Amino acid sequence: DVKVTQSSRYLVKRTGEKVFLECVQDMDHENMFWYRQDPGLGLRLIYFSYDVKMKEKGDIPEGYSVSREKKERFSLILESASTNQTSMYLCASSPNGQGYNSPLHFGNGTRLTVT
Amino acid sequence: DQQVKQNSPSLSVQEGRISILNCDYTNSMFDYFLWYKKYPAEGPTFLISISSIKDKNEDGRFTVFLNKSAKHLSLHIVPSQPGDSAVYFCAATPGSRFGNEKLTFGTGTRLTIIP
Repeated sequence: DVKVTQSSRYLVKRTGEKVFLECVQDMDHENMFWYRQDPGLGLRLIYFSYDVKMKEKGDIPEGYSVSREKKERFSLILESASTNQTSMYLCASSPNGQGYNSPLHFGNGTRLTVT
Repeated sequence: DQQVKQNSPSLSVQEGRISILNCDYTNSMFDYFLWYKKYPAEGPTFLISISSIKDKNEDGRFTVFLNKSAKHLSLHIVPSQPGDSAVYFCAATPGSRFGNEKLTFGTGTRLTIIP
């Protein structure tokens, strides 16, 4: 089974702090993704990566950056955390894109609270 | 602009009866549709999918129906079991021969199965 591991289940950070959310997958998947889940808004794509050192913006990239130095690891960075970034963050991976033949495998999420 | 809509935030169904979860979309370019299931404190897991060349796909107790002209899909669960209590997200993608088109998720429907 594919395992996607997010380093923290819960995080509490202060406004203005730099925050790192880490994600590791163990199935040699090419593609990795960061989503946030908010009530009434569903899952929204922040950033994704199809290869090492490659990144593409999703639907809501503002206030975030990412890093993919190794194939198995994809980090989400909040350069200066703000209260509107309080959310559940979900990392996912897939072998080929995210369509019909290649469903996403998600981690268990990191609930981030910014105070 | 919410391109994938799940208009029912919640649904309660008696155990053993049929659960029907609905999803509407506005983007006529969407060609592949997926359903994900999410338990509390876990990441979403892929449940079932359908291509636009089909109008029905079945997997055990789960059947997805697609009505392209109405831009509507539905997930039927029969018979419903207590373990089906979860949040269900529908998702859509234009797809491509490279399989790397972004998924757009709906807002989710919380299904509760009453024993």
